[in-house]
Amino acid sequence: EAQVTQNPRYLITVTGKKLTVTCSQNMNHEYMSWYRQDPGLGLRQIYYSMNVEVTDKGDVPEGYKVSRKEKRNFPLILESPSPNQTSLYFCASSPRPSRRQPQHFGDGTRLSIL
Amino acid sequence: QQQVKQSPQSLIVQKGGISIINCAYENTAFDYFPWYQQFPGKGPALLIAIRPDVSEKKEGRFTISFNKSAKQFSLHIMDSQPGDSATYFCAASRNTGTASKLTFGTGTRLQVTL
Repeated sequence: EAQVTQNPRYLITVTGKKLTVTCSQNMNHEYMSWYRQDPGLGLRQIYYSMNVEVTDKGDVPEGYKVSRKEKRNFPLILESPSPNQTSLYFCASSPRPSRRQPQHFGDGTRLSIL
Repeated sequence: QQQVKQSPQSLIVQKGGISIINCAYENTAFDYFPWYQQFPGKGPALLIAIRPDVSEKKEGRFTISFNKSAKQFSLHIMDSQPGDSATYFCAASRNTGTASKLTFGTGTRLQVTL
């Protein structure tokens, strides 16, 4: 089954404790992206990657890091999480970095930073 | 600054009624307008999309109306069903030179009552 898999689905942690949210897709997609979803703000792009070893900032990259060492994986790293990073996070992928390519989303990771 | 404005924030419609969600944009560089549907605990999924050279697109009970001069587009759900209860996001996409960029509206929570 074609899918984007995120782990963990839920995480409660404390300020300053490094964490990684993994994202994996099995569709051989070139383009991957991370979004955060907050009430009243919709989805905002954090980082994106057009292919292996090619990443770039989205609209809200502060406090986040990403890497793309393999085509299928695109982990999101919070080096020193803070409470304002409490949010619902989505990873997405599409076949190519084209504006008319539908993005396939994972089921989300709910992070709570205390 | 919200580049894609979406309204209403929430909507209650009786079964069999018409649900209408509106979006407006300012950036004329946007040239692809998808709608995403999100059920609780799931990621957004592409519902229907339109290009700006088309004024209307219909897929089953879902129709996008597009007004290029007014920079507005809307989603109409005919014969709304309880299974349509979800959050709907409009979005607008443009090329940035190196990749496409998808900007989301703030979302509309639709509840279809019996």
